[in-house]
Amino acid sequence: QVQLLQSGDEVKRPGASVKVSCKTSGYTFSSYGINWVRQAPGQGLEWMGWISTVNGNTNHAQKFQGRVTLTTDTSTTTAYMELSSLRSDDTALYFCTKEGLGGHLTDWGQGTLVTVSS
Amino acid sequence: DIQMTQSPSTLSASVGDRVSITCRASQTVTTWLAWYQQKPGRAPNLLIYRASYLESGVPSRFSGSGSGTEFTLTIDSLQAEDFATYYCQQYSSYSTFGGGTKVEIK
Repeated sequence: QVQLLQSGDEVKRPGASVKVSCKTSGYTFSSYGINWVRQAPGQGLEWMGWISTVNGNTNHAQKFQGRVTLTTDTSTTTAYMELSSLRSDDTALYFCTKEGLGGHLTDWGQGTLVTVSS
Repeated sequence: DIQMTQSPSTLSASVGDRVSITCRASQTVTTWLAWYQQKPGRAPNLLIYRASYLESGVPSRFSGSGSGTEFTLTIDSLQAEDFATYYCQQYSSYSTFGGGTKVEIK
């Protein structure tokens, strides 16, 4: 079955960077893109960006311009999300998601809690 | 960016009720619209895609309708396990989520 297994929770200082990994299995990695979505405590879902698992092309939400880097390693079927210049309002649960044909999000990782605190 | 507005933000209902949640887009998304259910402490779960297609394994009491800028998620005969928060998502131009609708017990 499809699985997306994310790396463990992180605590970071303001100004630092964090890199979250998403190990996938159970499907052909290069057939579906990966999206990243975050959820601040008690808040709604926020789309961060998308990466093609075919050619590495990316799209991301305007608010993350210059701060988010999405990559993949096809040899290990793993996706990565790096967020730099962390602020306290980046404290959130970060999810990787596999998209279906068209762009809806069919499968989700378990989430990685990133806490930004001095 | 396309903005997605859900209403209501909270809905109080009883088991057996028929409930509807509305999602409006700031510009047309044709039918590139999905609905998700999220329970506390869990990742969201896909219910509906392309506005009206039921995801495999999702109970048939869930249905979606609409196109363009206005969409509806309907739950026929609400069950105890349906009390949760629901989100719409457009994926016509990049992606955006609505603010969510919490369905709570009346």
